[in-house]
Amino acid sequence: EIVMTQSPATLSVSPGERATLSCRASQSVSSKLVWYQQKLGQAPRLLIYGVSTRASGIPVRFSGSGFGTEFTLTISSLQSEDSAVYYCQQYNNWPWTFGQGTKVEIK
Amino acid sequence: EVQLVESGGDLVQPGGSLKLSCAASGFTFSSYWMSWVRQAPGKGLEWLANIKEDGRVKYYVDSVKGRFTVSRDNAKNSLFLEMNSLRVEDTAVYYCARDDESVHGYWGQGTLVTVSS
Repeated sequence: EIVMTQSPATLSVSPGERATLSCRASQSVSSKLVWYQQKLGQAPRLLIYGVSTRASGIPVRFSGSGFGTEFTLTISSLQSEDSAVYYCQQYNNWPWTFGQGTKVEIK
Repeated sequence: EVQLVESGGDLVQPGGSLKLSCAASGFTFSSYWMSWVRQAPGKGLEWLANIKEDGRVKYYVDSVKGRFTVSRDNAKNSLFLEMNSLRVEDTAVYYCARDDESVHGYWGQGTLVTVSS
């Protein structure tokens, strides 16, 4: 099983500032990496798939990068509505596995 | 509009059984793989299982293999998760999700399963 490790656990960022979230895989997942956003009390929502492709309706301030074992989600200019937990997930090998999440707080 | 509505969550005793349902609408259900994902209270997400469009191929995470069974009824646009030998650690919100090229593109709102004596 591929272990996904996210850092930091919590990120506190001021509105308008950049937020950078990391996700590391225990072995290569190629480009089969997806990010989900989960706001409090809601179901997760697809943000980015295939490392860097934004899902429909996702603002351009969200971007993803990386390959193999190291991945990054960047929120270029944090908005108040971006307060959420962000999860990465690999879908290269069964079973698909999630990271433990990074909570983004608005400072 | 794609909609996924889970139901069937309940309080059940350890060792008991439960069957969850997910009603799909707004898309051609029979054309998509479907997944179940769960989230224990205050914890992260865990992918559990998925099922091919025609129901003939299924994958499970080891923690539920042999205890949980995923199935579907394409005529009724419904996905199911039959859970047996339930444990306290199975307590979670259970989500169904549509798999779009292996990615969970749409999620239901979840149904809560509580395993407790």
